[in-house]
Amino acid sequence: DADVTQTPRNRITKTGKRIMLECSQTKGHDRMYWYRQDPGLGLRLIYYSFDVKDINKGEISDGYSVSRQAQAKFSLSLESAIPNQTALYFCATSKGGGQDEQFFGPGTRLTVL
Amino acid sequence: QQQVKQSPQSLIVQKGGISIINCAYENTAFDYFPWYQQFPGKGPALLIAIRPDVSEKKEGRFTISFNKSAKQFSLHIMDSQPGDSATYFCAALGAHNNDMRFGAGTRLTVKP
Repeated sequence: DADVTQTPRNRITKTGKRIMLECSQTKGHDRMYWYRQDPGLGLRLIYYSFDVKDINKGEISDGYSVSRQAQAKFSLSLESAIPNQTALYFCATSKGGGQDEQFFGPGTRLTVL
Repeated sequence: QQQVKQSPQSLIVQKGGISIINCAYENTAFDYFPWYQQFPGKGPALLIAIRPDVSEKKEGRFTISFNKSAKQFSLHIMDSQPGDSATYFCAALGAHNNDMRFGAGTRLTVKP
């Protein structure tokens, strides 16, 4: 079984719609992250959370919000999707405490028409 | 503004050759430098990482060379194989900054 899962894997939506991407992990890690990947730009951090009560903005948080429902669940929302939010979205986890390796989910391909 | 600059964008190497990917950074607060490997349709996975207290780290065919004074680090893949064909990302993270910065990626193709 995958340690970090993301749903849905693919989503096509229209401009102005609200979208939620979900991430679950079975690694028991406290730290969770949301990134977006665009060609030629690598991965950029949207939000991260170090525990259920801790939410922090990353490099590109505008237009996004997150919710940490439990240690194992971290969801990303686009309140009103726009076409330039079309991208590949990845959730990741890490253990923390000096162990910085991040473990990535399989990604969600989002297309906003 | 990309804090970690990666080159080349794409690289074609013959089987058995050496693949070299370079990264440069500006922020001297970075103290963890990983390389991630990503296959199509998959998430990135950690390949190898280094901290600035050493100048080189080797794991099998993969070596990171780190030059702290030049603020540069590179990935060397020895005896490159077709199965190494993937996109490689360098990244950097600071001890007091939880925002991991990634390079733009290098698409490596190893021809049989």
